[in-house]
Amino acid sequence: GAVVSQHPSWVICKSGTSVKIECRSLDFQATTMFWYRQFPKQSLMLMATSNEGSKATYEQGVEKDKFLINHASLTLSTLTVTSAHPEDSSFYICSASQHEAFFGQGTRLTVV
Amino acid sequence: DAKTTQPPSMDCAEGRAANLPCNHSTISGNEYVYWYRQIHSQGPQYIIHGLKNNETNEMASLIITEDRKSSTLILPHATLRDTAVYYCIVRVGGSNQGGKLIFGQGTELSVKP
Repeated sequence: GAVVSQHPSWVICKSGTSVKIECRSLDFQATTMFWYRQFPKQSLMLMATSNEGSKATYEQGVEKDKFLINHASLTLSTLTVTSAHPEDSSFYICSASQHEAFFGQGTRLTVV
Repeated sequence: DAKTTQPPSMDCAEGRAANLPCNHSTISGNEYVYWYRQIHSQGPQYIIHGLKNNETNEMASLIITEDRKSSTLILPHATLRDTAVYYCIVRVGGSNQGGKLIFGQGTELSVKP
């Protein structure tokens, strides 16, 4: 199946700093990618839809100024968590699809 | 997208078939049934999907009832590595919005030796 790669797999940052997470589709072009967040013992929650060449679409309750999404090419979307706080600590997962969705391996963010 | 209902947890003996049910009574005619699984601390993995016919691939079989209001994912010979949370998701298929999935709570399958 298609491969979606995320980087980094895990990151620890200090409160107030920003963290960028990359999501790449390795063997297909993706005009649309999706970002999810998952807290411990909970299901995945869709955060936003990343659109190549245009603005991202955010789900209700997700702060667009805090979670900056850039989709500059057909194979790369980035999520930047700005001014991170401990409550932003979570597992962030991206996906891209051809006919079915393929997911990255996830990024574990810990804000200290 | 239609809502799905799954049991929160199930156990299965290693080597036996694991049958995971899913109810989707409000499914529309153009909505597919997708199954994904998530092994702890990894991204979800696609398993199988179907519209109305039963489907089989190297991982699993998908049985969809004639009225399409429920389905069953079958892992024919479960192994310890199949321990994961299994998500049944209903959505319109065949578009680049395919990654926009609304996840329910899923079924936590524990395969025991």
